[in-house]
Amino acid sequence: EVQLVESGGGLVQPGGSLRLSCAASGFTSSSYWMSWVRQAPGKGLEWVANIKQDGSEIYYVASVKGRFTISRDNAKNSLYLQMNSLSADDTAVYYCAREPFLYFDHWGQGTLVTVSS
Amino acid sequence: QSALTQPASVSGSPGQSITISCTGTSSDVGGYIYVSWYQQHPGKAPKLMIYDVTNRPSGVSNRFSGSKSGNTASLTISGLQAEDEADYYCSSYASTDTRVLFGGGTNTRVVFGGGTKLTVL
Repeated sequence: EVQLVESGGGLVQPGGSLRLSCAASGFTSSSYWMSWVRQAPGKGLEWVANIKQDGSEIYYVASVKGRFTISRDNAKNSLYLQMNSLSADDTAVYYCAREPFLYFDHWGQGTLVTVSS
Repeated sequence: QSALTQPASVSGSPGQSITISCTGTSSDVGGYIYVSWYQQHPGKAPKLMIYDVTNRPSGVSNRFSGSKSGNTASLTISGLQAEDEADYYCSSYASTDTRVLFGGGTNTRVVFGGGTKLTVL
């Protein structure tokens, strides 16, 4: 059974940093692109970033470019999102998602990031 | 403002059919086959319902179907059931550089619609 479990969310002050992790199981994560998608409270979905199987291609939504870094460790079946210079606009549930190719067939349960003083 | 435009809400009675539209541009919905649809119940993670415009993942009811015409994609749900009441989101590959389909640069790769709340009356 495919499982994605996010962790690392929490309360952080504006300008602070946070690192999210996503542990994958039930499939060979090195065979898939992986993405982070976020959802602000009461709002819609927003794709944040994705990374190719071997990490050779990485893309970001414009609003996080230069502040967020996506990475993966295939040996640990893990996906990461390093978030720096956080603002209130980054407050959201962050989902890790498996991406066969430009669609998301499995999602984690999400981890809440709250940016507030 | 979302990149893809969806109606904020639609409704239908049990047994009826409804269609949710998703309008983009030639740089996203109209230009590629990479349109997908997701169902999200309150407090839950999204669930893939349709990918590559018309394909249905294993386990998804055949009451759900997808199509596309020009810059508008559509999700149709037939034989509405109470359990279909949820939020629905469309998604598409998006490129601001039509010369390059894959790889390179920092163009946004995926965009979502604003979501449609389906109410089963």
